[in-house]
Amino acid sequence: DAKTTQPPSMDCAEGRAANLPCNHSTISGNEYVYWYRQIHSQGPQYIIHGLKNNETNEMASLIITEDRKSSTLILPHATLRDTAVYYCIVRVANNAGNMLTFGGGTRLMVKP
Amino acid sequence: EAGVAQSPRYKIIEKRQSVAFWCNPISGHATLYWYQQILGQGPKLLIQFQNNGVVDDSQLPKDRFSAERLKGVDSTLKIQPAKLEDSAVYLCASSLDRFEQFFGPGTRLTVL
Repeated sequence: DAKTTQPPSMDCAEGRAANLPCNHSTISGNEYVYWYRQIHSQGPQYIIHGLKNNETNEMASLIITEDRKSSTLILPHATLRDTAVYYCIVRVANNAGNMLTFGGGTRLMVKP
Repeated sequence: EAGVAQSPRYKIIEKRQSVAFWCNPISGHATLYWYQQILGQGPKLLIQFQNNGVVDDSQLPKDRFSAERLKGVDSTLKIQPAKLEDSAVYLCASSLDRFEQFFGPGTRLTVL
């Protein structure tokens, strides 16, 4: 699995966009970028994934650079409930399942 | 749709004792995972099942940990005997496709 690098912590003002960066310079062509988050005392929650193109769902947008060596997760209007640890994971999606390797993640603090 | 169920939510034991955790995945999810999350770290995969077969148990400490999923539905993870360093949250997850894993609330184990 490609190694990812994320800042250990970030702050964001409530109502503003939160932009969480992830570096994955050794990513292979068949590896996807996944984002999960973990709110305190809960299990991780899937947010979004992408291969090459930018992706958007009801929770967030994922912007992947053209060379695929980095990506940004965007929470367009952060709320206090978005305070969590955000994990960027790079992994091949195979038919037998998808074993995730979590790093340290980014602790996002949304402040009023 | 009911989520992944785990029990117990909390368990305190003394070292060298045995303990078992139970997980009931989302109905219809063929793939089931057990993760260990030590305080301050990201989750680490212990074992992955596809139906009732083991896909990957390379990170399971087999001298003391065992897991089974006999009928391809619910699963049990056992530790025997427990060590102090086994204190962690044990997370169960299930998935239907290659991309999204659904996590349960976890079992917090404290070994004294």
